[in-house]
Amino acid sequence: NAGVTQTPKFQVLKTGQSMTLQCAQDMNHEYMSWYRQDPGMGLRLIHYSVGAGITDQGEVPNGYNVSRSTTEDFPLRLLSAAPSQTSVYFCASSYSPGEAEKLFFGSGTQLSVL
Amino acid sequence: DAKTTQPPSMDCAEGRAANLPCNHSTISGNEYVYWYRQIHSQGPQYIIHGLKNNETNEMASLIITEDRKSSTLILPHATLRDTAVYYCIVMSSNDYKLSFGAGTTVTVRA
Repeated sequence: NAGVTQTPKFQVLKTGQSMTLQCAQDMNHEYMSWYRQDPGMGLRLIHYSVGAGITDQGEVPNGYNVSRSTTEDFPLRLLSAAPSQTSVYFCASSYSPGEAEKLFFGSGTQLSVL
Repeated sequence: DAKTTQPPSMDCAEGRAANLPCNHSTISGNEYVYWYRQIHSQGPQYIIHGLKNNETNEMASLIITEDRKSSTLILPHATLRDTAVYYCIVMSSNDYKLSFGAGTTVTVRA
């Protein structure tokens, strides 16, 4: 049981490049979400999903796309990377929406955009 | 979601109780108070939550005022490993948007 797995752990991009941050969970969780954390700040919600085929926007969705084709995976796509997207990205999951006490987080992806 | 207000930082002596305050004056009747912490740059970790009664688990105690406008997280015997950023969050059970503010940076000193 690996929990929530994020890849890669570190990534450096040039402005304008695109990439996909991967998130996978093996706990059969319906709810998955993506957060970003800028230096010295709390986590801000980017996108979330309450099940396969269902996604919705969080606080800061601009510049990011998501899809949820399977229960296990919830990739985050940066369409055209900008320096303002330099941040640490966390993926989280729980069995069902609203169960914040059972929210599991991945170890994060540190992204730098030059 | 109701907004929360926490002090930006606080120090605590090792072995003493750490009392972390949180104001949530606009909390609604169906919103819970959650506490998470983030050690180093790891993903946040759930600590405790409550609706209106005081709660205790193996990690901490949560005291919620009768009017529910504020709460206090108590770490009964702080250790160096409790040094972390602590987040106070309010959300309802049918709200899917768990958002973290800036939190309180707690430093436990030997």
